Amino acid sequence: DIQMTQSPSSVSASVGDRVTITCRASQGISSWLAWYQQKPGKAPNLLIYAASSLQSGVPSRFSGSGSGTDFTLTISSLQPEDFATYFCQQANSFPFTFGPGTKVDIK
Amino acid sequence: EVQLLESGGGLVQPGGSLRLSCAASGFTFSTYAMSWVRQAPGRGLEWVSTISGSGGSTSYADSVKGRFTISRDNSKNTLYLQMNSLRADDTAVYFCAKGSTSSAWVFDHWGQGTLVTVSS
Repeated sequence: DIQMTQSPSSVSASVGDRVTITCRASQGISSWLAWYQQKPGKAPNLLIYAASSLQSGVPSRFSGSGSGTDFTLTISSLQPEDFATYFCQQANSFPFTFGPGTKVDIK
Repeated sequence: EVQLLESGGGLVQPGGSLRLSCAASGFTFSTYAMSWVRQAPGRGLEWVSTISGSGGSTSYADSVKGRFTISRDNSKNTLYLQMNSLRADDTAVYFCAKGSTSSAWVFDHWGQGTLVTVSS
């Protein structure tokens, strides 16, 4: 199985800050990586697919990059509604594993 | 607007069975792969199973293979998950999720989830 790791596990930030989250796959997954945002008690919401493609309706302050084993999600200017947990997911091969999550909370 | 509405969760004893349903609307259901993803309380996300649009192809996580069965009724726009031989570690919120146009295993819409609790 492909193992997904994320760093940091949590980050405290202020509104307006630039936030970068890293995701690493245990083996190469090309660009088959997605990012999701999840708020407490809610379902995940797709932000980025194919490592860098912005899902329709997602604000442009979210961006993704990377390929192979190393990926990043960047929030260029953190907004109050962005405080949530972020998960990466590999869509390259069975089983389709998720990272453990990065919680972004208020500083 | 895409809507996915799960039902069927609840409390079940270890070794018991439960059938989850997911009613879909707002898109051509038979065109898209559908999946179940679960989340144990306070934990991360775990992919459980995927079924192709036609229903002819299915896949399962090792943790549920042989115990869970995914199916769909395209005439009713409904996805199912039959769960047998349930164990305590199956306790989770179960989400149904729609595959995207770019990949069956990238989930662009999710239901609100239904809680399954396995306990005596």
